[in-house]
Amino acid sequence: DTEVTQTPKHLVMGMTNKKSLKCEQHMGHRAMYWYKQKAKKPPELMFVYSYEKLSINESVPSRFSPECPNSSLLNLHLHALQPEDSALYLCASSPGWAPSTDTQYFGPGTRLTVL
Amino acid sequence: GQQVMQIPQYQHVQEGEDFTTYCNSSTTLSNIQWYKQRPGGHPVFLIQLVKSGEVKKQKRLTFQFGEAKKNSSLHITATQTTDVGTYFCAGRHTGTASKLTFGTGTRLQVTL
Repeated sequence: DTEVTQTPKHLVMGMTNKKSLKCEQHMGHRAMYWYKQKAKKPPELMFVYSYEKLSINESVPSRFSPECPNSSLLNLHLHALQPEDSALYLCASSPGWAPSTDTQYFGPGTRLTVL
Repeated sequence: GQQVMQIPQYQHVQEGEDFTTYCNSSTTLSNIQWYKQRPGGHPVFLIQLVKSGEVKKQKRLTFQFGEAKKNSSLHITATQTTDVGTYFCAGRHTGTASKLTFGTGTRLQVTL
């Protein structure tokens, strides 16, 4: 299995809702990532988990809360989002054994719209 | 901050023409990767360059890493409609092993 899966594909939520994005990989990768991508822009790193521990938080607002329940799963909990948070949220994974040269494998993304 | 810029932002070519995108970093990179994102899709890894001055080829695609490890290029020979998409370079700045910084991207449109 060489793919990263993400659910849901699309999500529409109000500013008062609480929702979660899910990401799963079964490649034995030990590093997982959340990126945010706005239209016609590059992916922006949000969080990095390495061996199930949060290793990088790119000063992301607390209304985004990541969670790594185990080495195959990565969640992103959303609460009290703003319309400007509407974007494509990409999950990625990499082997994690050689961080300086790892290739990242991206999931198809969740397209989030905040009303 | 550590930025990676790409030029051009957008290029429209006729099928069969060549295409090049250039990637420039404000600081030295430990390595550079290239990704392709089709319209409506997600980034897909193409290649990684690690050594100064390295050149790699994949069929019609040629990738170069600059001698100073601050710039890179992707050249496509005889473009095809299947080459349509946005090409991103992505590099790791020295000392930030887990963090990949994406370039601004070049969107390629190919018409018959």
